[in-house]
Amino acid sequence: NAGVTQTPKFRILKIGQSMTLQCTQDMNHNYMYWYRQDPGMGLKLIYYSVGAGITDKGEVPNGYNVSRSTTEDFPLRLELAAPSQTSVYFCASGVTAGALHFGNGTRLTVT
Amino acid sequence: ELKVEQNPLFLSMQEGKNYTIYCNYSTTSDRLYWYRQDPGKSLESLFVLLSNGAVKQEGRLMASLDTKARLSTLHITAAVHDLSATYFCAVDNVDNDYKLSFGAGTTVTVRA
Repeated sequence: NAGVTQTPKFRILKIGQSMTLQCTQDMNHNYMYWYRQDPGMGLKLIYYSVGAGITDKGEVPNGYNVSRSTTEDFPLRLELAAPSQTSVYFCASGVTAGALHFGNGTRLTVT
Repeated sequence: ELKVEQNPLFLSMQEGKNYTIYCNYSTTSDRLYWYRQDPGKSLESLFVLLSNGAVKQEGRLMASLDTKARLSTLHITAAVHDLSATYFCAVDNVDNDYKLSFGAGTTVTVRA
């Protein structure tokens, strides 16, 4: 059972480039989330989804977009990367909002 | 806006001694979660507390929830090196059941 799988694990982007962070879960969870974690900080919610076709903004959505065409996949798109988007990104899924299963994270550096 | 505050933010523990981490939150909620994160790793769910007075225990860790005081505690008994990690509490946002608010985390280091 793979759980929540994130790719890539590491990425370096130049300012202004775009990329998609992939997230797939095989637990048939309806709830999926994208968080970012800055050094020494807690997690900030970027976007979330409560089911296929439904997405909504979290605390820090600017500069990001998401889609949820299937239950399994919840990709996060970064458009026009900026240094402020340097962070570790975690995807998570759950049956409910609280007891979440997290992926291993994507470490993104924008230079 | 729901605020979640943990203290202390850093905790140096001596092996064999007992310690407590506190998690305060600003609005009414009866659902609180504790997670553990090892350095450079992902988050792992430790405890799910779903009602006032809930107490959960796993090994040397015990978590409790007092919704009237808006306080959860994570108690560590007889600390061991393996417990070195960062511990996060997270609270359901009652204005939106689908979102959690996380505390800043407590980084625990256990020394001999």
